Amino acid sequence: DAGVTQSPTHLIKTRGQQVTLRCSPKSGHDTVSWYQQALGQGPQFIFQYYEEEERQRGNFPDRFSGHQFPNYSSELNVNALLLGDSALYLCASSFQGRTGELFFGEGSRLTVL
Amino acid sequence: GESVGLHLPTLSVQEGDNSIINCAYSNSASDYFIWYKQESGKGPQFIIDIRSNMDKRQGQRVTVLLNKTVKHLSLQIAATQPGDSAVYFCAEDLIQGAQKLVFGQGTRLTINP
Repeated sequence: DAGVTQSPTHLIKTRGQQVTLRCSPKSGHDTVSWYQQALGQGPQFIFQYYEEEERQRGNFPDRFSGHQFPNYSSELNVNALLLGDSALYLCASSFQGRTGELFFGEGSRLTVL
Repeated sequence: GESVGLHLPTLSVQEGDNSIINCAYSNSASDYFIWYKQESGKGPQFIIDIRSNMDKRQGQRVTVLLNKTVKHLSLQIAATQPGDSAVYFCAEDLIQGAQKLVFGQGTRLTINP
Protein backbone atom coordinates (compact mmCIF):
# COMPACT_ATOMS: atom_id res chain seq x y z
CA ASP A 1 0.00 0.00 0.00
CA ALA A 2 1.61 3.22 -1.15
CA GLY A 3 1.77 6.00 1.37
CA VAL A 4 1.62 9.68 0.55
CA THR A 5 3.59 10.45 -2.58
CA GLN A 6 4.81 13.89 -3.63
CA SER A 7 6.41 15.25 -6.75
CA PRO A 8 8.80 16.64 -7.64
CA THR A 9 11.22 15.85 -4.83
CA HIS A 10 13.47 18.81 -5.57
CA LEU A 11 13.15 21.86 -7.75
CA ILE A 12 14.80 25.20 -8.28
CA LYS A 13 12.98 28.35 -9.36
CA THR A 14 13.82 32.02 -9.64
CA ARG A 15 12.05 34.93 -7.99
CA GLY A 16 8.78 35.85 -9.64
CA GLN A 17 8.19 32.44 -11.16
CA GLN A 18 5.32 30.11 -10.37
CA VAL A 19 5.49 26.54 -9.09
CA THR A 20 3.09 23.61 -8.85
CA LEU A 21 3.63 20.76 -6.41
CA ARG A 22 1.66 17.53 -6.49
CA CYS A 23 0.45 15.07 -3.88
CA SER A 24 -1.25 11.69 -3.97
CA PRO A 25 -2.78 10.74 -0.63
CA LYS A 26 -2.55 7.41 1.09
CA SER A 27 -5.05 4.94 -0.30
CA GLY A 28 -8.49 5.51 1.19
CA HIS A 29 -7.78 8.97 2.59
CA ASP A 30 -10.03 11.80 1.51
CA THR A 31 -8.38 14.86 3.07
CA VAL A 32 -5.13 16.52 2.06
CA SER A 33 -3.28 19.18 4.01
CA TRP A 34 -0.21 21.13 2.98
CA TYR A 35 2.52 22.37 5.26
CA GLN A 36 5.58 24.55 4.72
CA GLN A 37 8.73 23.66 6.63
CA ALA A 38 11.57 26.16 6.60
CA LEU A 39 15.04 24.90 7.40
CA GLY A 40 15.41 24.21 11.11
CA GLN A 41 11.76 24.94 11.85
CA GLY A 42 8.62 22.97 12.45
CA PRO A 43 6.04 22.61 9.68
CA GLN A 44 3.48 25.40 9.28
CA PHE A 45 -0.06 24.70 8.13
CA ILE A 46 -0.91 26.22 4.75
CA PHE A 47 -4.36 24.82 3.97
CA GLN A 48 -6.51 21.72 3.88
CA TYR A 49 -8.67 20.28 1.11
CA TYR A 50 -11.67 18.02 1.41
CA GLU A 51 -14.34 17.29 -1.17
CA GLU A 52 -12.40 19.41 -3.65
CA GLU A 53 -12.78 22.53 -1.52
CA GLU A 54 -10.42 24.47 0.69
CA ARG A 55 -11.72 23.86 4.21
CA GLN A 56 -9.17 25.60 6.38
CA ARG A 57 -6.33 27.98 5.79
CA GLY A 58 -3.31 29.07 7.75
CA ASN A 59 -1.63 32.44 7.72
CA PHE A 60 -0.39 32.38 4.14
CA PRO A 61 -0.96 34.97 1.41
CA ASP A 62 -3.17 34.46 -1.61
CA ARG A 63 -0.09 33.65 -3.66
CA PHE A 64 -0.53 30.19 -2.19
CA SER A 65 -3.42 28.33 -3.74
CA GLY A 66 -4.42 24.75 -4.18
CA HIS A 67 -6.72 22.27 -5.73
CA GLN A 68 -8.08 18.85 -4.97
CA PHE A 69 -9.17 16.47 -7.69
CA PRO A 70 -11.99 13.89 -7.64
CA ASN A 71 -9.44 11.13 -6.96
CA TYR A 72 -8.40 13.08 -3.82
CA SER A 73 -4.99 14.02 -5.15
CA SER A 74 -3.99 17.62 -4.68
CA GLU A 75 -1.82 20.40 -6.03
CA LEU A 76 -0.20 23.34 -4.31
CA ASN A 77 0.49 26.40 -6.45
CA VAL A 78 2.68 29.31 -5.45
CA ASN A 79 2.77 32.43 -7.61
CA ALA A 80 5.27 35.27 -7.71
CA LEU A 81 7.88 33.30 -5.80
CA LEU A 82 9.96 35.05 -3.17
CA LEU A 83 13.28 33.99 -1.73
CA GLY A 84 11.47 33.30 1.53
CA ASP A 85 9.34 30.66 -0.13
CA SER A 86 12.35 28.35 -0.15
CA ALA A 87 11.34 25.44 2.05
CA LEU A 88 10.28 21.84 2.23
CA TYR A 89 6.62 21.53 1.29
CA LEU A 90 4.91 18.63 2.99
CA CYS A 91 1.65 17.01 2.04
CA ALA A 92 -0.31 15.08 4.65
CA SER A 93 -3.34 12.91 4.12
CA SER A 94 -6.00 11.68 6.49
CA PHE A 95 -9.65 10.88 6.92
CA GLN A 96 -11.78 13.99 7.37
CA GLY A 97 -12.57 14.80 10.97
CA ARG A 98 -10.48 12.02 12.42
CA THR A 99 -7.94 13.66 14.63
CA GLY A 100 -5.71 10.70 14.42
CA GLU A 101 -2.37 10.47 12.84
CA LEU A 102 -1.70 12.32 9.67
CA PHE A 103 0.41 10.52 7.13
CA PHE A 104 3.06 12.80 5.72
CA GLY A 105 4.86 12.49 2.44
CA GLU A 106 8.58 13.05 2.15
CA GLY A 107 8.11 16.52 0.78
CA SER A 108 9.12 18.66 -2.15
CA ARG A 109 12.22 20.75 -1.56
CA LEU A 110 11.80 24.13 -3.27
CA THR A 111 14.74 26.49 -3.68
CA VAL A 112 14.07 30.01 -4.93
CA LEU A 113 17.07 31.88 -6.30
CA GLY B 1 -1.20 33.93 19.68
CA GLU B 2 -1.11 30.18 19.96
CA SER B 3 2.28 28.60 19.89
CA VAL B 4 3.98 25.37 20.75
CA GLY B 5 7.53 25.62 21.92
CA LEU B 6 10.32 23.37 23.02
CA HIS B 7 12.71 23.91 25.90
CA LEU B 8 15.84 22.47 24.27
CA PRO B 9 16.83 22.46 20.64
CA THR B 10 19.31 19.56 21.04
CA LEU B 11 19.60 16.53 23.27
CA SER B 12 22.40 13.96 23.40
CA VAL B 13 22.01 10.68 25.27
CA GLN B 14 23.91 7.44 25.58
CA GLU B 15 22.61 4.41 23.76
CA GLY B 16 20.45 2.40 26.12
CA ASP B 17 19.58 5.35 28.34
CA ASN B 18 16.14 6.90 28.56
CA SER B 19 15.41 10.17 26.75
CA ILE B 20 12.99 12.88 27.78
CA ILE B 21 11.97 15.57 25.31
CA ASN B 22 9.92 18.47 26.61
CA CYS B 23 7.42 20.81 25.04
CA ALA B 24 5.47 23.81 26.31
CA TYR B 25 2.23 24.96 24.80
CA SER B 26 0.44 28.24 25.30
CA ASN B 27 -3.19 27.55 24.42
CA SER B 28 -4.95 26.08 27.43
CA ALA B 29 -7.93 25.23 25.22
CA SER B 30 -5.94 22.85 23.04
CA ASP B 31 -7.52 19.43 22.95
CA TYR B 32 -5.13 17.11 21.26
CA PHE B 33 -1.36 16.69 21.09
CA ILE B 34 0.89 14.60 18.89
CA TRP B 35 4.57 13.76 18.87
CA TYR B 36 6.28 13.32 15.51
CA LYS B 37 9.69 12.00 14.57
CA GLN B 38 11.42 13.39 11.52
CA GLU B 39 14.51 11.74 10.11
CA SER B 40 16.76 13.52 7.69
CA GLY B 41 15.20 13.82 4.25
CA LYS B 42 11.87 12.39 5.33
CA GLY B 43 8.49 13.68 6.36
CA PRO B 44 7.31 13.66 9.98
CA GLN B 45 6.28 10.26 11.27
CA PHE B 46 3.58 9.82 13.91
CA ILE B 47 4.86 8.49 17.24
CA ILE B 48 2.10 8.87 19.80
CA ASP B 49 -0.82 11.12 20.62
CA ILE B 50 -2.75 12.18 23.70
CA ARG B 51 -6.03 13.95 24.33
CA SER B 52 -6.46 16.68 26.89
CA ASN B 53 -8.61 14.46 29.11
CA MET B 54 -5.63 12.19 29.73
CA ASP B 55 -2.37 12.79 31.56
CA LYS B 56 -0.38 9.80 30.37
CA ARG B 57 -0.32 7.45 27.44
CA GLN B 58 2.10 4.64 26.68
CA GLY B 59 3.19 3.07 23.44
CA GLN B 60 6.00 0.78 22.47
CA ARG B 61 9.07 2.21 24.25
CA VAL B 62 7.46 5.65 24.32
CA THR B 63 5.36 7.47 26.89
CA VAL B 64 3.73 10.86 26.58
CA LEU B 65 2.91 12.89 29.67
CA LEU B 66 0.57 15.86 29.69
CA ASN B 67 0.47 18.40 32.51
CA LYS B 68 -2.37 20.79 31.79
CA THR B 69 -1.73 22.83 34.92
CA VAL B 70 1.59 24.10 33.58
CA LYS B 71 0.79 23.45 29.92
CA HIS B 72 3.66 21.04 29.49
CA LEU B 73 4.05 17.96 27.34
CA SER B 74 6.88 15.44 27.38
CA LEU B 75 7.96 12.44 25.36
CA GLN B 76 9.89 9.70 27.09
CA ILE B 77 11.79 7.17 25.02
CA ALA B 78 13.00 4.10 26.85
CA ALA B 79 16.30 2.38 26.07
CA THR B 80 17.18 4.68 23.21
CA GLN B 81 18.66 3.11 20.12
CA PRO B 82 20.71 4.57 17.26
CA GLY B 83 17.57 4.52 15.12
CA ASP B 84 15.95 6.99 17.50
CA SER B 85 18.29 9.74 16.28
CA ALA B 86 16.04 12.31 14.63
CA VAL B 87 14.28 15.61 15.20
CA TYR B 88 11.22 15.33 17.40
CA PHE B 89 8.29 17.72 17.15
CA CYS B 90 5.32 18.20 19.37
CA ALA B 91 2.18 19.41 17.63
CA GLU B 92 -1.10 20.76 18.83
CA ASP B 93 -4.52 20.47 17.21
CA LEU B 94 -6.31 23.59 18.37
CA ILE B 95 -9.75 22.40 17.28
CA GLN B 96 -10.59 18.76 17.75
CA GLY B 97 -10.89 17.03 14.42
CA ALA B 98 -9.62 20.03 12.50
CA GLN B 99 -6.20 18.55 11.87
CA LYS B 100 -4.84 22.08 11.64
CA LEU B 101 -1.67 21.29 13.52
CA VAL B 102 0.60 23.83 15.16
CA PHE B 103 4.13 22.46 15.40
CA GLY B 104 6.92 23.43 17.72
CA GLN B 105 10.44 24.14 16.52
CA GLY B 106 11.74 20.65 17.24
CA THR B 107 14.42 18.94 19.32
CA ARG B 108 17.29 17.10 17.69
CA LEU B 109 18.00 13.87 19.53
CA THR B 110 21.47 12.38 19.11
CA ILE B 111 22.33 8.93 20.41
CA ASN B 112 25.93 8.41 21.46
CA PRO B 113 27.33 4.85 21.20
